[in-house]
This record gives sequence, structure tokens and C-alpha cells, in this order.
Amino acid sequence: EPEVTQTPSHQVTQMGQEVILRCVPISNHLYFYWYRQILGQKVEFLVSFYNNEISEKSEIFDDQFSVERPDGSNFTLKIRSTKLEDSAMYFCASREGWREKQFFGPGTRLTVL
Amino acid sequence: AQSVAQPEDQVNVAEGNPLTVKCTYSVSGNPYLFWYVQYPNRGLQFLLKYITGDNLVKGSYGFEAEFNKSQTSFHLKKPSALVSDSALYFCAVIFGNRDDKIIFGKGTRLHILP
Repeated sequence: EPEVTQTPSHQVTQMGQEVILRCVPISNHLYFYWYRQILGQKVEFLVSFYNNEISEKSEIFDDQFSVERPDGSNFTLKIRSTKLEDSAMYFCASREGWREKQFFGPGTRLTVL
Repeated sequence: AQSVAQPEDQVNVAEGNPLTVKCTYSVSGNPYLFWYVQYPNRGLQFLLKYITGDNLVKGSYGFEAEFNKSQTSFHLKKPSALVSDSALYFCAVIFGNRDDKIIFGKGTRLHILP
């Protein structure tokens, strides 16, 4: 079965630094998502992306966050100036069509020191 | 507000016994319901979904779920639990006509005791 991939698996950074989390969605999928899961808490929606633009974003997704699909395969999440509370597991997801299931990547564990 | 609830933080079941993981939702329209499973240090894996049709949905690894509109529930079930079923289970919902972000429940940790 095709998979969503994410790199790196673990990112450690200093507070205030910029990080870019990378995802490669499944090739024929059109809808892309980022979610995060703070340790021990539930998975939270961050942003959805379709047709090269953000279709919806949550309150968490403030001006420090941005997403980009720089080419035909990658989908990135950038955090401009990381805070301690950004430490979490970040999941990328993609889906093919309307109401289809979302496929999740294995996640990137971000640790902000 | 639209939401999904998993009332149990943890469920313990003896191997070979039937298991149920509960989920209820609150919605103003028609929900699209999912169950995902998360194994340690792994991503979320899709188990099953309900969009329309039969209320009983069968999914991966022998799991099934029953959509009950009157009780606004979508409980996950399996007739005979395996130790390997031990994991974190998330009920999830998509609401609305345009937006399809997944709203997850807080998760239920399932322990299957040998």
C-alpha cells in the first residue's frame, strides 16, 4: 500500500529557531494536512491545503506557521520561531478525494529546548 | 459545538474476550466517522469508516463498528481480542459540506491482557 513519508523522524532545535518539517504525500492525492499531537494529548488539526492554497487552519496555526508545496511531491510545514510549547509529534496526512480516508505519515517528533 | 468524545481513557480486556471501545459524537449535520489506531512510536493507521449505508462497518484486523444515529455513537468492537490489539485508538469525525478536517477524540488506550 502507498505511504505518506515524513522527514526527519526526530528534530531537536533551540527555542527561537526556524524548523521545516517535510512530508511526501501519496502521489495521486490532492488534499494535504498537518496535525500535531502533544505528548499524552489528542491529535489536533493544524491546517488543510488544496489546490496550492490553505483551505482551513486552526487557531493553533498562527503567523509563526506556514505551509508550502514547493514542487510536485513535497509538502512542508515551517515554524519560524519555535517555542517550547511547539514540542510535539507532527503528522502529515493526505487523501485522494472527497470523504476518502486520510493516510497519515509516521510523524516527526519535534523537541524544542 | 461539534465534537467527538471517548469516555474511557483506558480499557482492559482479557485475550480472547470481546472488546468495545466507545465513541459518541455531537453534530448538527451528517457525520462521517472513522477509527484510527496508533501503535507506540508509530503514526495513525486507518481501521474503518462510516460514510453512508449499512450501520455495521467492518474494517482492518477483524475490527468492526456500529453507527447508531439515535444514540449518536460509533463504538468500535472486536469479537475476540488479541494481545497485539493493544494500542491507542482514536475515534474521529468529519463534519460539514466543505471542510474535511478530522476532529479526533482524545483516544482510548486498549490493554489486552494475556
